[in-house]
Amino acid sequence: DAGVIQSPRHEVTEMGQEVTLRCKPISGHNSLFWYRQTMMRGLELLIYFNNNVPIDDSGMPEDRFSAKMPNASFSTLKIQPSEPRDSAVYFCASSVTASLSYEQYFGPGTRLTVT
Amino acid sequence: QQQVKQSPQSLIVQKGGISIINCAYENTAFDYFPWYQQFPGKGPALLIAIRPDVSEKKEGRFTISFNKSAKQFSLHIMDSQPGDSATYFCAALSNYQLIWGAGTKLIIKP
Repeated sequence: DAGVIQSPRHEVTEMGQEVTLRCKPISGHNSLFWYRQTMMRGLELLIYFNNNVPIDDSGMPEDRFSAKMPNASFSTLKIQPSEPRDSAVYFCASSVTASLSYEQYFGPGTRLTVT
Repeated sequence: QQQVKQSPQSLIVQKGGISIINCAYENTAFDYFPWYQQFPGKGPALLIAIRPDVSEKKEGRFTISFNKSAKQFSLHIMDSQPGDSATYFCAALSNYQLIWGAGTKLIIKP
């Protein structure tokens, strides 16, 4: 298996532009997580999907952020409009809810820079 | 109550030495305690995990020690190697959600 796939790996954009980050979870995994990582705030959970349904989006910073999971093999995180403070590494992770190990498998991340 | 406090923030250990990272929690409902390892430019990856019904778990050079009464757990890396240089995160599971520690940047000096 290729693992969790994220694209793009790097994104540089100007303030005010729309940014879309993409994630393909591991086949057969039914839970998907979007995280944001910064030096100041560490790893923050933004949103959690289970069986394609958003379960908890309390970590989404504000209305500028939105996430979708139209099917079991694809999810997007959109920021519109982007701001410099959104600069961070965004990770997608997937897991099997019923697994005894609860292990989350992380993708390589998307490094977002908003200028 | 949902926090997991991790220390130290950074750690330098000589090759062959023992690296120790500590975490503490408040919520007694946590029932699964993993450690993740993250190399630069990569996502975190599960290293080792423990449930609160055991006091210790060992996998190779990595050991988790768990003290339920003190609500603390720690990661010990024996015979630390330069390849162990990474950032380590402890976490605790609450329902579906992992509550993460702030991370420890470990550097193993050759």
